[in-house]
Amino acid sequence: DAGVIQSPRHEVTEMGQEVTLRCKPISGHNSLFWYRQTMMRGLELLIYFNNNVPIDDSGMPEDRFSAKMPNASFSTLKIQPSEPRDSAVYFCASRGGGGLGYGYTFGSGTRLTVV
Amino acid sequence: GQQLNQSPQSMFIQEGEDVSMNCTSSSIFNTWLWYKQDPGEGPVLLIALYKAGELTSNGRLTAQFGITRKDSFLNISASIPSDVGIYFCAGQPGTGNQFYFGTGTSLTVIP
Repeated sequence: DAGVIQSPRHEVTEMGQEVTLRCKPISGHNSLFWYRQTMMRGLELLIYFNNNVPIDDSGMPEDRFSAKMPNASFSTLKIQPSEPRDSAVYFCASRGGGGLGYGYTFGSGTRLTVV
Repeated sequence: GQQLNQSPQSMFIQEGEDVSMNCTSSSIFNTWLWYKQDPGEGPVLLIALYKAGELTSNGRLTAQFGITRKDSFLNISASIPSDVGIYFCAGQPGTGNQFYFGTGTSLTVIP
């Protein structure tokens, strides 16, 4: 099992540019989560999907952020336009079905720097 | 969202010492998880706890699900340099699918 795969690992972009982060969850997992990690705020849940459907996007900071999951094996998180305060590590995590208590498996993250 | 407080925020210990950290919540949780994050990587699941009072071990790690269901504890015995990292607790209230993460405990082991 290759685990949760995120790309790119690092992204440096200029303020105002569009940024797209990608995630491939573990095959068979039916829930997918996008987190943002910063020193100040720790791990923040941005949005999560069950069976490709967005369930809770209350953590999405503002309209500049959007996420899609067109199929069970792929999700994107887009920031448009990007701002320096969006600089953070963005993690994708997936979780299998089967009831409560199954922990998330995290990807290695995308470190985003907006200059 | 739910607030999970971890303590201590950071620890500096000598190799071979035991480590204790805890996580408290203002709400009841039905599941507790403990993760470790190495620099530049995502958090990795260490231990999962599913009922109040449960005590579970994974090698030198032992975690407990508090009786009140509002706290959890993680102990590491005989620490080694590779234990260095940030340890996160996460709790699930039992409704919905979401886990809430603690603020993390940064562990430094001095050889």
